[in-house]
Amino acid sequence: DVKVTQSSRYLVKRTGEKVFLECVQDMDHENMFWYRQDPGLGLRLIYFSYDVKMKEKGDIPEGYSVSREKKERFSLILESASTNQTSMYLCASSLVKGAGLETQYFGPGTRLLVL
Amino acid sequence: AQKITQTQPGMFVQEKEAVTLDCTYDTSDPSYGLFWYKQPSSGEMIFLIYQGSYDQQNATEGRYSLNFQKARKSANLVISASQLGDSAMYFCAMSVNAGNMLTFGGGTRLMVKP
Repeated sequence: DVKVTQSSRYLVKRTGEKVFLECVQDMDHENMFWYRQDPGLGLRLIYFSYDVKMKEKGDIPEGYSVSREKKERFSLILESASTNQTSMYLCASSLVKGAGLETQYFGPGTRLLVL
Repeated sequence: AQKITQTQPGMFVQEKEAVTLDCTYDTSDPSYGLFWYKQPSSGEMIFLIYQGSYDQQNATEGRYSLNFQKARKSANLVISASQLGDSAMYFCAMSVNAGNMLTFGGGTRLMVKP
């Protein structure tokens, strides 16, 4: 079974703090994704990565950066957290580079509250 | 651009009955995939079923089946014999051949009544 884990289920941070959200997958997937989920807005793609050290912007990259130093790990970074980044963050991974139709498997999510 | 529409924000179904969750999509790409995910209150997105645009038959996975009507651009999820554990949010999503990004619908909250 595919296993995608996220470092925290719940996180509380203060405005201006630097926040790291970690995601690890154990199935040697090439593709990894970060989404945020907000009521009424659904899931929106922040960043994704097709390979180590490679990243692409999604629909809402502003205020975020990512890092992929190892194939199994994809980190989302909030350089200076703001209250409008309070959200549920979901990481996902999928097999095969650029195939387009591979199933994405999700982690359990991190509920981030920025005070 | 791709778009997924789920018109039912919430639905009730009696335990052991079947239920259909609606999903319509829009894309100009001839090659695409359609996915359904379940999200219980715990938050994890659980993959349920996949349908490719060139698949000749409707996908089935246990109690889940996908009613794929290509001409109408619909991909409805059918859950047979509903169980209390089926109460959750359900999301329809699409990926096109140009990349592996998923576009999600707004979701449907399903509530199963005992």
